[in-house]
Amino acid sequence: AQKITQTQPGMFVQEKEAVTLDCTYDTSDQSYGLFWYKQPSSGEMIFLIYQGSYDEQNATEGRYSLNFQKARKSANLVISASQLGDSAMYFCAMREDQGSARQLTFGSGTQLTVLP
Amino acid sequence: DVKVTQSSRYLVKRTGEKVFLECVQDMDHENMFWYRQDPGLGLRLIYFSYDVKMKEKGDIPEGYSVSREKKERFSLILESASTNQTSMYLCASSLMALNTEAFFGQGTRLTVV
Repeated sequence: AQKITQTQPGMFVQEKEAVTLDCTYDTSDQSYGLFWYKQPSSGEMIFLIYQGSYDEQNATEGRYSLNFQKARKSANLVISASQLGDSAMYFCAMREDQGSARQLTFGSGTQLTVLP
Repeated sequence: DVKVTQSSRYLVKRTGEKVFLECVQDMDHENMFWYRQDPGLGLRLIYFSYDVKMKEKGDIPEGYSVSREKKERFSLILESASTNQTSMYLCASSLMALNTEAFFGQGTRLTVV
C-alpha cells in the first residue's frame, strides 16, 4: 500500500488565489512527522512546512499552511495568495518513528501552475 | 548553511558498467538517503543509512548497493548499470529527530546507454 498518496498530478490556480494540494498518508505509528517540499524547474528541493502527529495546531509558515486532519490521515497544503513563483512540483512526505530507522517516504507529487 | 554535495550533476555510462554516485554532507547528520526521481512516480527511496556502516533497504533496492564508511559520505553503487536505471538520483541527509527536515543535494542526472 502507498504510504503517501497525492491524487492531483497537476493543478492550475489563478494568481492571487488560494490553492489546496491534497495529501493522504497511511501509517500505524502514533508518532510521525509530515513534510511538504517544493521543487522548482531548477530541480532543488525546498523544505516548506512540517506537522508533527501530536501537534494540536495546524502548522503555518508565511503563505503556507497545513490542514492536518489526523482522523482522516490527511495533511493538505494550502497556499494563500498564489504567486507566479509558486509554479513548481510539490511533494508531501512522511517520517515514521521506527526506532533508529526513520526513513522518509515521499508521494508522487503535484505539479502546480500559477496562471497570470 | 547545510550543504549536501553530490559528486556529479550529469553522468553518462554504458550498460554493464559499475557506477558510483557519491554524496557528502557537512552537518554531522546521522541519516542519509538515496532516492531516484522519475516523472509521475515522485521520489522513491532506494537505500538509507542511520549510522556509519548501517544501511536499510528502501522501496526499490534491487540493482543497487550502498556504502557508508564515514559519517559524512554515502555512496550509491550500481553494480552493473542498465538502461532502466536512467534517472535523476537525489541524495539527502537529516538529523535523527522525527521533526527535522531532510536537506537535499542538487541531484545527479544519470543516463545509461
